[in-house]
Amino acid sequence: QKEVEQDPGPLSVPEGAIVSLNCTYSNSAFQYFMWYRQYSRKGPELLMYTYSSGNKEDGRFTAQVDKSSKYISLFIRDSQPSDSATYLCAMSANNFNKFYFGSGTKLNVKP
Amino acid sequence: SAVISQKPSRDICQRGTSLTIQCQVDSQVTMMFWYRQQPGQSLTLIATANQGSEATYESGFVIDKFPISRPNLTFSTLTVSNMSPEDSSIYLCSVGGVYEQYFGPGTRLTVT
Repeated sequence: QKEVEQDPGPLSVPEGAIVSLNCTYSNSAFQYFMWYRQYSRKGPELLMYTYSSGNKEDGRFTAQVDKSSKYISLFIRDSQPSDSATYLCAMSANNFNKFYFGSGTKLNVKP
Repeated sequence: SAVISQKPSRDICQRGTSLTIQCQVDSQVTMMFWYRQQPGQSLTLIATANQGSEATYESGFVIDKFPISRPNLTFSTLTVSNMSPEDSSIYLCSVGGVYEQYFGPGTRLTVT
């Protein structure tokens, strides 16, 4: 069983839609949860991070963590064509040096 | 923030040869990380490179296959040795931790 599971998509939505991206995990030791955005032929860039359970909002992006279900989500409101990218979740226990990544969900926002 | 550059950006190599990938950071950092990203797969940590000490390798990766150098606080190299087609992948270096992590643009390697 993989440490982190992520639906690879692709996910295609019209501009302005609300997008929901999700990951599940198996290791209850994970405390830090991150979302990255990766444009084609670029390295991942950190979008948001959360610690433990709860929600965190940053502009059009909301990260949600449900540790009881071992499930995390990233919501994108009012999606834009510029949001078209691959989104990766990542997790870490107390050891900041070891991140476990999902395989990424490819998102296409159509104008 | 940190700006990371990698060389080469891409290469096509023959099996049995070696390729050295360079990673340059615009600021001094203690730890640098090397990842592999295979098509449709998650990023997998190869090793952590601290300046002045031996790199720490993750399970499934060995120093003979992926030797790493870390001569100073802004630079590191990863060598992919005795390459096979299974080594075709994107190799990325990164710096930072949970709250602030930066990746290089990656080196796209194809082994024929």
